[in-house]
Amino acid sequence: DQQVKQNSPSLSVQEGRISILNCDYTNSMFDYFLWYKKYPAEGPTFLISISSIKDKNEDGRFTVFLNKSAKHLSLHIVPSQPGDSAVYFCAASRNSGNTPLVFGKGTRLSVIA
Amino acid sequence: GAGVSQSPSNKVTEKGKDVELRCDPISGHTALYWYRQSLGQGLEFLIYFQGNSAPDKSGLPSDRFSAERTGGSVSTLTIQRTQQEDSAVYLCASSDPWDTQYFGPGTRLTVL
Repeated sequence: DQQVKQNSPSLSVQEGRISILNCDYTNSMFDYFLWYKKYPAEGPTFLISISSIKDKNEDGRFTVFLNKSAKHLSLHIVPSQPGDSAVYFCAASRNSGNTPLVFGKGTRLSVIA
Repeated sequence: GAGVSQSPSNKVTEKGKDVELRCDPISGHTALYWYRQSLGQGLEFLIYFQGNSAPDKSGLPSDRFSAERTGGSVSTLTIQRTQQEDSAVYLCASSDPWDTQYFGPGTRLTVL
């Protein structure tokens, strides 16, 4: 059973517009959530995280929103840039991140100039 | 400073052979993780080392897989009698406790 789900395998967005990537989870024990970005032939790069005690965390163009009651989080990228084109993975963990991460299958974002 | 490094970057082997994959974590990180990504899938946890504690091996898919971490630093993942379904990108990550995991570039394993 997949505990972290990214239901959109791909997303295309025009440069300058907002990209919204979604993630759902099933395990209520998860208390720490992360987004990683991955380019081809490279390892995942940490982007942004959020603890379950918060509902929003912002870092520059990137904002993560957490809705615990819906077991849903989303990553907003504003404005989107061509360099943002990559695969984005949602990940979750227990014990405030001190455990192995559980990943979704990823969403491929294409930002079109 | 230097990030997580992995070697080799690519490995092609024949079915039934043993392979060893190496991970050099970020200096000082006490936690080390191995994951793998099969085609079209997310990252799947394999094994986790934290300091001197016994490793968490709950993600290893079979007893053909094993890993060790020497001196609390370098780790080696060994796959014995490789099968075609072992083909994947094997990723290593390291972290301080309760901190972000940083990933290496991965080793792409192809079993013919």
